[in-house]
Amino acid sequence: EAGVAQSPRYKIIEKRQSVAFWCNPISGHATLYWYQQILGQGPKLLIQFQNNGVVDDSQLPKDRFSAERLKGVDSTLKIQPAKLEDSAVYLCASSVNRGEQYFGPGTRLTVT
Amino acid sequence: AQRVTQPEKLLSVFKGAPVELKCNYSYSGSPELFWYVQYSRQRLQLLLRHISRESIKGFTADLNKGETSFHLKKPFAQEEDSAMYYCALLNTGGFKTIFGAGTRLFVKA
Repeated sequence: EAGVAQSPRYKIIEKRQSVAFWCNPISGHATLYWYQQILGQGPKLLIQFQNNGVVDDSQLPKDRFSAERLKGVDSTLKIQPAKLEDSAVYLCASSVNRGEQYFGPGTRLTVT
Repeated sequence: AQRVTQPEKLLSVFKGAPVELKCNYSYSGSPELFWYVQYSRQRLQLLLRHISRESIKGFTADLNKGETSFHLKKPFAQEEDSAMYYCALLNTGGFKTIFGAGTRLFVKA
């Protein structure tokens, strides 16, 4: 089966600019996750969708980050405006049921 | 507060030596625990979960609720085991996975 797809793989922007990331989960996976992984740290959950509804977004900085999952399939994560501390790898994952998550390759964001 | 602690950032062992990657958690309910692994230039992937009680690639992990630990063990390390290992906790509601900071395992020839 095809894995979780993410694009772009790399992005460099200046602070205060906007950026968007795209994720296509594994077909049939109802749950989709966005994680932020800062260098030297483990992944931190930003937002979790069940189909197209938000299950948890308690750690999403809502003043600058937004995410949507239209039609319960693909998802986009946006940052507007970006700050230096947003430099990280953004991981998308999906799962059929609780527990095992399948991860995408990640998008490495550098904010200068 | 829910927390996963991996006390070692780096663990270096010789090939054939036993290896133990430590994981301690803080959670008031009954969590599900996982080990994820990321090999060089590969995606993060599930290695094993405690409810499966199985051995994957020679690795095992036992959930010790008394010590709130879920250490990952392998009796004889191989060079191909070199990777980043993350311990993760899924809360009872199944709505949030919390990852530890990770331990880089380096197996020397």
